[in-house]
Amino acid sequence: ETGVTQSPTHLIKTRGQQVTLRCSSQSGHNTVSWYQQALGQGPQFIFQYYREEENGRGNFPPRFSGLQFPNYSSELNVNALELDDSALYLCASAVAGGQGEKQYFGPGTRLTVT
Amino acid sequence: GENVGLHLPTLSVQEGDNSIINCAYSNSASDYFIWYKQESGKGPQFIIDIRSNMDKRQGQRVTVLLNKTVKHLSLQIAATQPGDSAVYFCAENEGDSSYKLIFGSGTRLLVRP
Repeated sequence: ETGVTQSPTHLIKTRGQQVTLRCSSQSGHNTVSWYQQALGQGPQFIFQYYREEENGRGNFPPRFSGLQFPNYSSELNVNALELDDSALYLCASAVAGGQGEKQYFGPGTRLTVT
Repeated sequence: GENVGLHLPTLSVQEGDNSIINCAYSNSASDYFIWYKQESGKGPQFIIDIRSNMDKRQGQRVTVLLNKTVKHLSLQIAATQPGDSAVYFCAENEGDSSYKLIFGSGTRLLVRP
Protein backbone atom coordinates (compact mmCIF):
# COMPACT_ATOMS: atom_id res chain seq x y z
CA GLU A 1 0.00 0.00 0.00
CA THR A 2 1.25 3.49 -0.89
CA GLY A 3 -0.44 5.62 1.74
CA VAL A 4 -2.33 7.56 -0.93
CA THR A 5 -6.05 7.42 -0.28
CA GLN A 6 -8.96 8.40 -2.49
CA SER A 7 -12.66 8.86 -1.94
CA PRO A 8 -15.19 7.78 -2.86
CA THR A 9 -14.36 4.33 -4.20
CA HIS A 10 -17.22 4.28 -6.68
CA LEU A 11 -19.57 6.96 -7.92
CA ILE A 12 -22.48 7.07 -10.34
CA LYS A 13 -23.51 10.39 -11.86
CA THR A 14 -25.86 11.56 -14.58
CA ARG A 15 -24.71 13.36 -17.71
CA GLY A 16 -24.53 17.11 -17.09
CA GLN A 17 -23.92 16.81 -13.36
CA GLN A 18 -20.80 17.87 -11.49
CA VAL A 19 -18.52 15.64 -9.42
CA THR A 20 -15.76 16.16 -6.84
CA LEU A 21 -13.19 13.47 -6.15
CA ARG A 22 -10.77 13.61 -3.24
CA CYS A 23 -7.22 12.48 -2.61
CA SER A 24 -4.94 12.44 0.41
CA SER A 25 -1.23 12.34 -0.36
CA GLN A 26 1.31 10.01 1.11
CA SER A 27 2.94 11.52 4.18
CA GLY A 28 5.89 13.73 3.21
CA HIS A 29 4.75 14.22 -0.37
CA ASN A 30 4.05 17.72 -1.68
CA THR A 31 2.82 17.22 -5.24
CA VAL A 32 -0.38 15.60 -6.45
CA SER A 33 -1.16 14.51 -9.98
CA TRP A 34 -4.47 13.30 -11.36
CA TYR A 35 -4.85 10.73 -14.12
CA GLN A 36 -7.84 9.33 -16.02
CA GLN A 37 -7.76 5.65 -16.92
CA ALA A 38 -10.35 4.42 -19.39
CA LEU A 39 -11.09 0.71 -19.43
CA GLY A 40 -8.32 -1.24 -21.13
CA GLN A 41 -5.97 1.72 -21.44
CA GLY A 42 -3.07 3.27 -19.61
CA PRO A 43 -3.59 6.28 -17.33
CA GLN A 44 -3.70 9.70 -19.01
CA PHE A 45 -2.30 12.75 -17.24
CA ILE A 46 -4.90 15.39 -16.37
CA PHE A 47 -2.87 17.84 -14.29
CA GLN A 48 -0.50 18.21 -11.38
CA TYR A 49 -0.63 20.49 -8.35
CA TYR A 50 2.37 21.81 -6.44
CA ARG A 51 2.32 24.55 -3.82
CA GLU A 52 -1.45 24.77 -4.29
CA GLU A 53 -1.13 25.77 -7.95
CA GLU A 54 -1.61 23.87 -11.19
CA ASN A 55 1.82 22.86 -12.43
CA GLY A 56 1.25 21.29 -15.82
CA ARG A 57 -1.85 20.07 -17.61
CA GLY A 58 -2.64 17.35 -20.10
CA ASN A 59 -5.08 17.44 -22.99
CA PHE A 60 -8.24 17.89 -20.91
CA PRO A 61 -10.86 20.65 -21.23
CA PRO A 62 -11.31 23.41 -18.62
CA ARG A 63 -14.32 21.65 -17.12
CA PHE A 64 -11.68 19.48 -15.41
CA SER A 65 -10.31 21.54 -12.54
CA GLY A 66 -8.56 20.91 -9.28
CA LEU A 67 -7.40 22.19 -5.96
CA GLN A 68 -4.53 21.43 -3.64
CA PHE A 69 -4.84 22.29 0.02
CA PRO A 70 -2.13 23.36 2.52
CA ASN A 71 -1.99 19.81 3.87
CA TYR A 72 -1.22 18.66 0.28
CA SER A 73 -4.53 16.86 -0.14
CA SER A 74 -6.32 17.53 -3.41
CA GLU A 75 -9.65 17.58 -5.19
CA LEU A 76 -10.54 16.92 -8.79
CA ASN A 77 -13.71 18.61 -10.02
CA VAL A 78 -15.44 17.76 -13.27
CA ASN A 79 -18.32 19.89 -14.50
CA ALA A 80 -20.94 19.11 -17.13
CA LEU A 81 -20.22 15.41 -17.05
CA GLU A 82 -20.22 13.52 -20.33
CA LEU A 83 -20.63 9.79 -20.92
CA ASP A 84 -16.97 9.57 -22.01
CA ASP A 85 -15.91 10.80 -18.57
CA SER A 86 -16.69 7.32 -17.25
CA ALA A 87 -13.31 6.02 -16.11
CA LEU A 88 -11.06 5.23 -13.17
CA TYR A 89 -9.63 8.46 -11.76
CA LEU A 90 -6.25 8.03 -10.15
CA CYS A 91 -4.41 10.34 -7.84
CA ALA A 92 -0.63 10.10 -7.46
CA SER A 93 1.61 11.89 -4.99
CA ALA A 94 5.34 12.54 -5.05
CA VAL A 95 8.09 14.69 -3.62
CA ALA A 96 8.93 17.54 -5.97
CA GLY A 97 12.51 18.01 -7.04
CA GLY A 98 15.21 16.00 -8.66
CA GLN A 99 15.15 14.53 -12.13
CA GLY A 100 11.75 13.09 -12.84
CA GLU A 101 9.35 11.97 -10.16
CA LYS A 102 8.54 8.64 -8.64
CA GLN A 103 4.78 8.88 -8.33
CA TYR A 104 2.79 6.73 -5.93
CA PHE A 105 -0.80 6.02 -6.89
CA GLY A 106 -3.93 5.64 -4.85
CA PRO A 107 -6.54 2.94 -5.50
CA GLY A 108 -8.64 5.21 -7.69
CA THR A 109 -12.26 6.32 -7.88
CA ARG A 110 -14.43 4.55 -10.43
CA LEU A 111 -16.78 7.13 -11.98
CA THR A 112 -19.72 5.97 -14.06
CA VAL A 113 -21.70 8.57 -16.00
CA THR A 114 -25.14 7.49 -17.22
CA GLY B 1 -13.39 -5.85 -9.20
CA GLU B 2 -11.80 -3.61 -11.79
CA ASN B 3 -11.21 -5.29 -15.15
CA VAL B 4 -8.01 -3.66 -16.31
CA GLY B 5 -6.79 -4.33 -19.80
CA LEU B 6 -9.59 -6.00 -21.74
CA HIS B 7 -7.74 -6.14 -25.06
CA LEU B 8 -4.12 -5.88 -24.04
CA PRO B 9 -1.20 -7.87 -25.41
CA THR B 10 -0.76 -10.86 -23.16
CA LEU B 11 2.39 -12.66 -22.06
CA SER B 12 1.82 -16.12 -20.63
CA VAL B 13 4.69 -17.73 -18.70
CA GLN B 14 5.21 -20.80 -16.58
CA GLU B 15 5.68 -20.25 -12.88
CA GLY B 16 9.39 -20.15 -12.13
CA ASP B 17 10.39 -18.98 -15.60
CA ASN B 18 11.75 -15.52 -16.34
CA SER B 19 9.45 -12.91 -17.92
CA ILE B 20 10.41 -10.10 -20.26
CA ILE B 21 7.96 -7.32 -20.94
CA ASN B 22 8.85 -4.84 -23.64
CA CYS B 23 7.91 -1.24 -24.23
CA ALA B 24 8.67 1.24 -26.99
CA TYR B 25 8.64 4.94 -26.22
CA SER B 26 8.37 7.82 -28.63
CA ASN B 27 9.92 10.90 -27.06
CA SER B 28 13.70 11.05 -27.37
CA ALA B 29 13.70 13.91 -24.85
CA SER B 30 12.29 11.71 -22.08
CA ASP B 31 14.80 11.44 -19.25
CA TYR B 32 12.95 9.31 -16.71
CA PHE B 33 11.22 5.96 -17.12
CA ILE B 34 9.18 3.90 -14.72
CA TRP B 35 7.41 0.54 -14.60
CA TYR B 36 4.13 0.02 -12.79
CA LYS B 37 2.15 -3.11 -11.98
CA GLN B 38 -1.63 -2.87 -11.83
CA GLU B 39 -3.76 -5.61 -10.34
CA SER B 40 -7.48 -5.79 -10.86
CA GLY B 41 -9.28 -3.27 -8.70
CA LYS B 42 -6.13 -1.45 -7.64
CA GLY B 43 -4.10 1.57 -8.63
CA PRO B 44 -0.72 1.22 -10.36
CA GLN B 45 2.04 0.03 -8.03
CA PHE B 46 5.62 1.24 -8.49
CA ILE B 47 8.06 -1.50 -9.50
CA ILE B 48 11.29 0.13 -10.64
CA ASP B 49 12.53 3.30 -12.36
CA ILE B 50 15.52 4.34 -14.39
CA ARG B 51 16.98 7.63 -15.55
CA SER B 52 18.25 8.26 -19.06
CA ASN B 53 21.90 8.38 -17.95
CA MET B 54 21.70 4.66 -17.12
CA ASP B 55 21.04 1.61 -19.28
CA LYS B 56 20.33 -0.97 -16.60
CA ARG B 57 18.98 -1.01 -13.08
CA GLN B 58 18.24 -3.94 -10.84
CA GLY B 59 15.79 -4.41 -8.03
CA GLN B 60 14.53 -7.40 -6.15
CA ARG B 61 13.78 -10.01 -8.86
CA VAL B 62 13.31 -7.22 -11.42
CA THR B 63 15.65 -5.58 -13.90
CA VAL B 64 14.91 -2.65 -16.19
CA LEU B 65 16.91 -2.19 -19.39
CA LEU B 66 16.91 1.05 -21.36
CA ASN B 67 18.08 1.31 -24.96
CA LYS B 68 17.94 4.96 -25.94
CA THR B 69 19.23 4.29 -29.44
CA VAL B 70 16.07 2.43 -30.41
CA LYS B 71 13.87 3.99 -27.71
CA HIS B 72 13.13 0.67 -26.06
CA LEU B 73 12.51 -0.24 -22.44
CA SER B 74 12.17 -3.71 -20.99
CA LEU B 75 11.24 -5.20 -17.65
CA GLN B 76 12.67 -8.55 -16.69
CA ILE B 77 11.11 -10.52 -13.86
CA ALA B 78 13.12 -13.44 -12.54
CA ALA B 79 11.49 -16.63 -11.27
CA THR B 80 7.98 -15.39 -12.06
CA GLN B 81 5.40 -16.15 -9.38
CA PRO B 82 1.58 -16.34 -9.49
CA GLY B 83 1.45 -13.05 -7.59
CA ASP B 84 3.18 -11.38 -10.53
CA SER B 85 0.04 -11.83 -12.65
CA ALA B 86 -1.16 -8.31 -13.46
CA VAL B 87 -1.10 -5.62 -16.13
CA TYR B 88 2.28 -3.92 -16.49
CA PHE B 89 2.68 -0.35 -17.74
CA CYS B 90 5.79 1.50 -18.75
CA ALA B 91 5.74 5.28 -18.44
CA GLU B 92 8.08 8.07 -19.51
CA ASN B 93 8.23 11.70 -18.54
CA GLU B 94 8.07 14.49 -21.09
CA GLY B 95 11.71 15.37 -20.71
CA ASP B 96 13.39 18.34 -19.02
CA SER B 97 12.59 16.76 -15.68
CA SER B 98 8.88 17.07 -16.39
CA TYR B 99 6.59 15.58 -13.77
CA LYS B 100 4.01 14.50 -16.35
CA LEU B 101 4.10 10.74 -16.95
CA ILE B 102 3.03 9.34 -20.32
CA PHE B 103 1.88 5.74 -20.05
CA GLY B 104 2.05 2.97 -22.61
CA SER B 105 -0.96 0.79 -23.34
CA GLY B 106 0.11 -2.02 -21.01
CA THR B 107 0.88 -5.74 -21.18
CA ARG B 108 -1.02 -8.43 -19.29
CA LEU B 109 1.20 -11.03 -17.63
CA LEU B 110 -0.40 -14.39 -16.90
CA VAL B 111 1.55 -16.87 -14.80
CA ARG B 112 0.62 -20.54 -15.33
CA PRO B 113 1.00 -22.78 -12.27
